Amino acid sequence: GEDVEQSLFLSVREGDSSVINCTYTDSSSTYLYWYKQEPGAGLQLLTYIFSNMDMKQDQRLTVLLNKKDKHLSLRIADTQTGDSAIYFCAESKITGGGNKLTFGTGTQLKVEL
Amino acid sequence: DTAVSQTPKYLVTQMGNDKSIKCEQNLGHDTMYWYKQDSKKFLKIMFSYNNKELIINETVPNRFSPKSPDKAHLNLHINSLELGDSAVYFCASSQDWTEGIGKNIQYFGAGTRLSVL
Repeated sequence: GEDVEQSLFLSVREGDSSVINCTYTDSSSTYLYWYKQEPGAGLQLLTYIFSNMDMKQDQRLTVLLNKKDKHLSLRIADTQTGDSAIYFCAESKITGGGNKLTFGTGTQLKVEL
Repeated sequence: DTAVSQTPKYLVTQMGNDKSIKCEQNLGHDTMYWYKQDSKKFLKIMFSYNNKELIINETVPNRFSPKSPDKAHLNLHINSLELGDSAVYFCASSQDWTEGIGKNIQYFGAGTRLSVL
């Protein structure tokens, strides 16, 4: 199957760390992505990780990949109110017919003062 | 300059009408995509074109017909609109669809919110 699951909501206080989790089922995925969607806006690519990596850090963002458990997480350090948005993980599978992104259900992150 | 631009941003129309959504990318990419986001924010791929040729066609009613006049444009035409077509439609592009590092990263437009009354 190609289900990608995320918890629906996460609420944190400003300045705390946020951890958004994602599980996927397709072990042949080559890349895994995190996208951010602010209200009424499009999808902004935040970061991605290649399937042979365990971790990737990019400023306040840390991505952890556990291939054995098919688990991906996004940690946002020092969360700010501007980080409030929906966060989507996505897995990429490249076949002879093209490159398809399968998205998770999205996690709504709310940052409180 | 917006990298992936869609027009219109909002589209309100009656059931049964035919409408088009346009997408243009100025990134020099070979591959373009259409995704549909429903009212629960669930995103699903509809089509993908590489260099004007269809390479992905998910289970989409044939009332939806993508057209790629050149590799920088991928338009979506919808015939006989139904209430269930109400959604946000996103266009995206990537350098190509292969496994080369960075080549298949998809960049998205701002979306077109379609409301069918």
